[in-house]
Amino acid sequence: AQSVTQLGSHVSVSEGALVLLRCNYSSSVPPYLFWYVQYPNQGLQLLLKYTSAATLVKGINGFEAEFKKSETSFHLTKPSAHMSDAAEYFCAVSPSINDMRFGAGTRLTVKP
Amino acid sequence: DGGITQSPKYLFRKEGQNVTLSCEQNLNHDAMYWYRQDPGQGLRLIYYSQIVNDFQKGDIAEGYSVSREKKESFPLTVTSAQKNPTAFYLCASSIVSGTESTDTQYFGPGTRLTVL
Repeated sequence: AQSVTQLGSHVSVSEGALVLLRCNYSSSVPPYLFWYVQYPNQGLQLLLKYTSAATLVKGINGFEAEFKKSETSFHLTKPSAHMSDAAEYFCAVSPSINDMRFGAGTRLTVKP
Repeated sequence: DGGITQSPKYLFRKEGQNVTLSCEQNLNHDAMYWYRQDPGQGLRLIYYSQIVNDFQKGDIAEGYSVSREKKESFPLTVTSAQKNPTAFYLCASSIVSGTESTDTQYFGPGTRLTVL
């Protein structure tokens, strides 16, 4: 079964610093990959989605992710962190409809 | 505005009682899902439905039941058989386009259930 591993349950960066949240997936074929963001006591909001059209995917709020098949990775980045980026981020893989597997999540803290 | 609504936001239940969580969507999506979220564990699928009057068990269906009588609504009942029901419950929906192997899921705001 396909799965997702998010490295680091908690990441802390300073405001203005690079944000890098790591996600690796296990799959024998290129899957569909997603990043979602969750603010406290709220639902998940889609940041971006990889569907094989392009390896570099741009999302909302200045985030982007690069699909690297050789590394089975789909890391999320943002050049400059903002205080409003503090939230929990989930990577997810979906090999087929109705089958979405979520990572355990990474909590991002942004220090002033 | 189109979206997914879940009610109530917070729910308290006494042990041994059944409770029903509401999920409504006006996105005209065919598929709907229920997930359970526990700290540090990500989301786990409880039930999903691709079409009215049909639904399938997910990974952790024991102690839960659902119905799909209308396209817009997918209520979840947490029964007394669920041994550890305290959690955050998220409802989601997606289209079923048939042209991709998957479709993006859109989430509601969640219901936090606490068993006293």
